[in-house]
Amino acid sequence: AQTVTQSQPEMSVQEAETVTLSCTYDTSESDYYLFWYKQPPSRQMILVIRQEAYKQQNATENRFSVNFQKAAKSFSLKISDSQLGDAAMYFCALGDSNYQLIWGAGTKLIIKP
Amino acid sequence: KAGVTQTPRYLIKTRGQQVTLSCSPISGHRSVSWYQQTPGQGLQFLFEYFSETQRNKGNFPGRFSGRQFSNSRSEMNVSTLELGDSALYLCASSPRVGYNEQFFGPGTRLTVL
Repeated sequence: AQTVTQSQPEMSVQEAETVTLSCTYDTSESDYYLFWYKQPPSRQMILVIRQEAYKQQNATENRFSVNFQKAAKSFSLKISDSQLGDAAMYFCALGDSNYQLIWGAGTKLIIKP
Repeated sequence: KAGVTQTPRYLIKTRGQQVTLSCSPISGHRSVSWYQQTPGQGLQFLFEYFSETQRNKGNFPGRFSGRQFSNSRSEMNVSTLELGDSALYLCASSPRVGYNEQFFGPGTRLTVL
């Protein structure tokens, strides 16, 4: 069975600092996608960043970047220069060959002003 | 382009009743997926529809059903409601099967009393 594990239920960071959210996954497939989604208190889920498993290069979107370690099945999200608007639940998800998303339990990110 | 819309946003029902939730995808999107989100179980995949056909189904009892119309709008129905069905039901659309990014609606908060 495919699984996604987020071991940090909650993280807090000072505004303007950098924070890293952890995600590990398990799959027997060789071709898959990994995602980080953000769910602010308003509840609209938004895609933050996407990584194709066949790509060695880590994905980057402005202040958001990932550290994708395929052999270790690790997919962490780094948020640089944290802003108050980054406060949200962050979900790691694995997209399998059936194009279904398997979700982690989420990490609540708190930004301290 | 308008985003994914879900109606109603909030719903209160009693045990034994049935409920129908509606989802209108982004214009041009033909794939619609439904998820149940609860504090205890997290995000769980319910089903996916594409071109009016159910492509995938998650591990939910037969009380949960859905359909998709020719205009890609989708409905999900839950019959004989149980207290445990209280959840946020999220709908997501994507342009086609295999397009891994999903665009989410704001959700319908269902409370079963």
